[in-house]
Parts: sequence; C-alpha cells; structure tokens
Amino acid sequence: QQQVKQSPQSLIVQKGGISIINCAYENTAFDYFPWYQQFPGKGPALLIAIRPDVSEKKEGRFTISFNKSAKQFSLHIMDSQPGDSATYFCAAGDSWGKLQFGAGTQVVVTP
Amino acid sequence: SQTIHQWPATLVQPVGSPLSLECTVEGTSNPNLYWYRQAAGRGLQLLFYSVGIGQISSEVPQNLSASRPQDRQFILSSKKLLLSDSGFYLCAWRTGLGYTFGSGTRLTVV
Repeated sequence: QQQVKQSPQSLIVQKGGISIINCAYENTAFDYFPWYQQFPGKGPALLIAIRPDVSEKKEGRFTISFNKSAKQFSLHIMDSQPGDSATYFCAAGDSWGKLQFGAGTQVVVTP
Repeated sequence: SQTIHQWPATLVQPVGSPLSLECTVEGTSNPNLYWYRQAAGRGLQLLFYSVGIGQISSEVPQNLSASRPQDRQFILSSKKLLLSDSGFYLCAWRTGLGYTFGSGTRLTVV
C-alpha cells in the first residue's frame, strides 16, 4: 500500500512554463514533506522541504504548497528550463526519520 | 564537510552469489542511516534503517540483511542473490528535513 500518492506520472512542459506535481498522503503522523530531484544514474537530491505548519515555501523557482486539511501538497517549478528535466519525487517523513516516497514524476522541458 | 560515500557504483553478480555493499558517512556522528532500493523506472522502497551501532530495523522481508558495525558505516548484504534483487541501491542519512543520498550502486543479477 503506497502511503504517498503522486501525480502525474509524467509531464511535458515548454521552456518558461510552469510544472506542477501533486502528492497526497493519509498518515497524519507525517511531520515533514521533502521533494527530491533525480537525474538518470544519480541518487536523488533534496530540492526543498516543508513542515505542515507552513502553507507555502519558496526557494528560487521551486515552490511547495501545502494543504494540511486536505492532506495534499504540491511542487511548482516556475520558468521551467531544459536543465530541470528530471524525475521528481515527493516524500513524507515521520519522527523516526523514515521517508515514504511517491512513485515519481518524469518531467521533460522542451526548448 | 559532511559527505556520504557508497561503493561500488556498478555490480554484476550471478544468481546465488553473495553481496556486500558499503556506505560510509563523514563529518557527522551518530547519524540515522537508511538503505533504499529503486527498481527501474520506479519509486524508492525503504529496506533498512539504523539509529545507532548494531541497531537495525527491517522494513521489507527479503533475503537481504543490513549491519552497522561502526557509527558511520552501514552495510547491505545477501548470502544468495536472486534475480529480483536487481536494482539501484541507495544509502542515505538524515539531514534536517530530508536525506542526503549517496551516489548509488547499480546491481544487476544475472
């Protein structure tokens, strides 16, 4: 049973456009929500993370929006660039530090 | 500086052979350490985690095992590999609101 559901599975966006990836969770024990970026053959790299007491966090072109009541959160990539083409994973973490990952979204940014 | 090392980068092993993957971290003490597996085109599955020397928790029953002989060393092992053990194995340690991952080991069981 997947504890974190991520959509879409893949998306194509034009350069300069906005990429939006959505995630939902059920377990209210999760208390932090990171996003990772992974390039082929590499380990995932932490992009940005948020705690549930914050509704939005922005770092550069990346923004997390968090809706605690709906148990949903999303990643927005503004002004998408070809270098952003990668697989993105959302995750939810508990007090033990264990992360449950979504299935991933493959983002392709076309020139 | 804080770094995580994982080796080897790639490994091709026959079915039934043993496995040992090593992960070490530098620049920190008493880290929480994790082993994940990523099947081709799939998400990340937590295999084991450790909060200290000799303390191992298993998340998924399988023919893999983990050990933590030293504070900053985490080892993933198998006595006999199966074809289904093929995948991308990632070691990670907890850093703030997330993990820092190693560069991974691509294991192909043939």
